[in-house]
Amino acid sequence: EAEVAQSPRYKITEKSQAVAFWCDPISGHATLYWYRQILGQGPELLVQFQDESVVDDSQLPKDRFSAERLKGVDSTLKIQPAELGDSAMYLCASSSVGGFSYNEQFFGPGTRLTVL
Amino acid sequence: SQQGEEDPQALSIQEGENATMNCSYKTSINNLQWYRQNSGRGLVHLILIRSNEREKHSGRLRVTLDTSKKSSSLLITASRAADTASYFCATETGGFKTIFGAGTRLFVKA
Repeated sequence: EAEVAQSPRYKITEKSQAVAFWCDPISGHATLYWYRQILGQGPELLVQFQDESVVDDSQLPKDRFSAERLKGVDSTLKIQPAELGDSAMYLCASSSVGGFSYNEQFFGPGTRLTVL
Repeated sequence: SQQGEEDPQALSIQEGENATMNCSYKTSINNLQWYRQNSGRGLVHLILIRSNEREKHSGRLRVTLDTSKKSSSLLITASRAADTASYFCATETGGFKTIFGAGTRLFVKA
């Protein structure tokens, strides 16, 4: 069964360092999402791609976060510099229907980030 | 900001009992989805109900949607220990944006 792949699964870094997360969506899925989930809360959308274009990054802290999906397939989320408050689970999801309703999302296992 | 508000925040029941979770939201939606998350893992899609639907079933799951009250409920019948997880409602709004609630933590005791 096709799955969304994410790496690394765990990342520990010191504040002010740069970190990067990678996501490979299910083949053929045009829409890709990055979420941040703080312990005890629901996922919060950071950025949504339709193919290689960003369709929503209104909640992305653009002074330190960046995301790209250059060829419309896999994606990288970067934080530079990392801050203590960035400690969270970073989830990637993909869906086959982009920009329309009836949108089931398939999630990867997530990357647990700890900033010391 | 999170649109969906789940109630209760936590629920503990015995195996075999039914579990009911509620979700309220603030703005009009295209659809509402329920997801399950086991501890420290990614989310798994359970069921989607469209704004023009009132009830939907999938196995032991029953979802209702009341758009006039801006609320939904998820019923898990004959619960099992394996149902222990966090359950999130997610609403897709007119801008095709999906917003998750804070979740209900369900614990099913064997």
